Amino acid sequence: NAGVTQTPKFRVLKTGQSMTLLCAQDMNHEYMYWYRQDPGMGLRLIHYSVGEGTTAKGEVPDGYNVSRLKKQNFLLGLESAAPSQTSVYFCASSYSLMGQGFYEQYFGPGTRLTVT
Amino acid sequence: SQQGEEDPQALSIQEGENATMNCSYKTSINNLQWYRQNSGRGLVHLILIRSNEREKHSGRLRVTLDTSKKSSSLLITASRAADTASYFCATDASGGYQKVTFGTGTKLQVIP
Repeated sequence: NAGVTQTPKFRVLKTGQSMTLLCAQDMNHEYMYWYRQDPGMGLRLIHYSVGEGTTAKGEVPDGYNVSRLKKQNFLLGLESAAPSQTSVYFCASSYSLMGQGFYEQYFGPGTRLTVT
Repeated sequence: SQQGEEDPQALSIQEGENATMNCSYKTSINNLQWYRQNSGRGLVHLILIRSNEREKHSGRLRVTLDTSKKSSSLLITASRAADTASYFCATDASGGYQKVTFGTGTKLQVIP
């Protein structure tokens, strides 16, 4: 099992360019998440999905869009990149049982994005 | 704002010593988790403690949870240089919220 994979690992964009980050998991998890991590800070949730075809906003959703067309994939899009979106982006997945809260999240290796 | 806040922000100890990190949170939770992040890597799950549990062990890790004080602690015994990493607590707020919120982390340095 590959676990959670992210593509690409590194990317440099110019202001105004667009790109899509791909996250894939092979653990049949229902829940998937996109986080950003900035120096000295914890993870901030951008968007998440509780199942195929569903998405929801997290703590910092502005400037990002997501799609979950297939259960195993969760895409994060930047339509018009800004320098403030320079960050490390992590994808994660997990399963959950109703009423019992969340189980552990499995994280991808991250994508380091620089917007100039 | 972050649900969890770790304390201290940074900790430096000698190899063989114990390391204690604390996490405080604001709302009622279903469970609390601790994660480790090595520099430049993704987070790795360490341990999960449910709201009805008070203490849990896993190898050299000991986690306690005090729901009345809305706080948790992570103890790493007999630390090793390989334990050098950032440690994050994450809470799953009860009440139907379908996400986990991470704190800002404690950066641990273990000096050989």
